[in-house]
Amino acid sequence: QQQVKQSPQSLIVQKGGISIINCAYENTAFDYFPWYQQFPGKGPALLIAIRPDVSEKKEGRFTISFNKSAKQFSLHIMDSQPGDSATYFCAASKSGLTLTFGKGTMLLVSP
Amino acid sequence: SQTIHQWPATLVQPVGSPLSLECTVEGTSNPNLYWYRQAAGRGLQLLFYSVGIGQISSEVPQNLSASRPQDRQFILSSKKLLLSDSGFYLCACNANGGTFGAGSRLTVL
Repeated sequence: QQQVKQSPQSLIVQKGGISIINCAYENTAFDYFPWYQQFPGKGPALLIAIRPDVSEKKEGRFTISFNKSAKQFSLHIMDSQPGDSATYFCAASKSGLTLTFGKGTMLLVSP
Repeated sequence: SQTIHQWPATLVQPVGSPLSLECTVEGTSNPNLYWYRQAAGRGLQLLFYSVGIGQISSEVPQNLSASRPQDRQFILSSKKLLLSDSGFYLCACNANGGTFGAGSRLTVL
């Protein structure tokens, strides 16, 4: 049973455009929702995270939108750059013990 | 800030040989530690986690085992590798706001 569903699997965006990646979860006990960025051959790096008492969090060009009633959250990358080309993972945790990851989205930002 | 060291970075092993991947953590004490396996297109699968020395929780039945001999050391082992053990193994500390290591790529031939 996949508890965190991520879409799309891959995404191509032109430089300067907005990249949007969506995730949906099933377990209402989840209380922490991070996004990770991973470059080829490297470990994932925490990008931005949100808790369910907030509907939106912005850090630079990266924004998480959170919809608690729909059990969905999304990552928006504004003014996407070629250097943003990477695989992005959403995740969810309950009580800070373990993370459940989505399957990832490969983002390619074309010059 | 937390730093995770993993070694070896790359490993090629024959089927049936033993395995030992090591992970050490700097910059924090008494961390929760995790071993994940990453397969292409399948995200990160949690294999083991530990909340303290000698305490190991297994998430999936498999050919692997984990040990935590010291507070900031986490080891992934196998007595006899299978072809299906090939993959990219990641060590991480602390679920919320946590850090991943650079990974160990294992190829079993």
